[in-house]
Amino acid sequence: DQQVKQNSPSLSVQEGRISILNCDYTNSMFDYFLWYKKYPAEGPTFLISISSIKDKNEDGRFTVFLNKSAKHLSLHIVPSQPGDSAVYFCAASPLRINTDKLIFGTGTRLQVFP
Amino acid sequence: DSGVTQTPKHLITATGQRVTLRCSPRSGDLSVYWYQQSLDQGLQFLIQYYNGEERAKGNILERFSAQQFPDLHSELNLSSLELGDSALYFCASSPGGSSYNEQFFGPGTRLTVL
Repeated sequence: DQQVKQNSPSLSVQEGRISILNCDYTNSMFDYFLWYKKYPAEGPTFLISISSIKDKNEDGRFTVFLNKSAKHLSLHIVPSQPGDSAVYFCAASPLRINTDKLIFGTGTRLQVFP
Repeated sequence: DSGVTQTPKHLITATGQRVTLRCSPRSGDLSVYWYQQSLDQGLQFLIQYYNGEERAKGNILERFSAQQFPDLHSELNLSSLELGDSALYFCASSPGGSSYNEQFFGPGTRLTVL
């Protein structure tokens, strides 16, 4: 049972444009959400997070939006740069049950072309 | 560099064997997490330790076990290996405690079972 879903395995975007990566979740116990970026042969790197009490969080070119009623979050990257090409994982944590383990989606491979 | 180290980087072994993966968390982090990433899959949570005690368990097979030592490094033991155990194994660490902190991932150990 995939509790965190990233339905687009890949996305291709032109440099300078907006990249929008989507993520859906099914478990209402999740109350903290994160995005990680992963380059080949490296471990995932934390990008940005959002608590369930917010609906938006910004950090530079990265913005995460949370729609709790739809159980949906998205990551916007503006403007996209070639160095953003990587696999992006959405993750969720059920903090309220005293564990901060992460439940990951299957990832979206983003390619930013010139 | 996340500050989390994992050894070895690569491991090739045969079915039925036993291996030990090692993780050293970031300085000061009390929580250690183990994740498994199989081909084209997201990261699957295996187990979490906090300050030497098991905190949470995921879909970890009975053939797998882990521990966290007094110096906070952790080991993941995989026994009676099967072909399907071939995967990337990531360790992550965080300060732990009552509020959420993002997890920092090591570079991973790639296990190949032949």
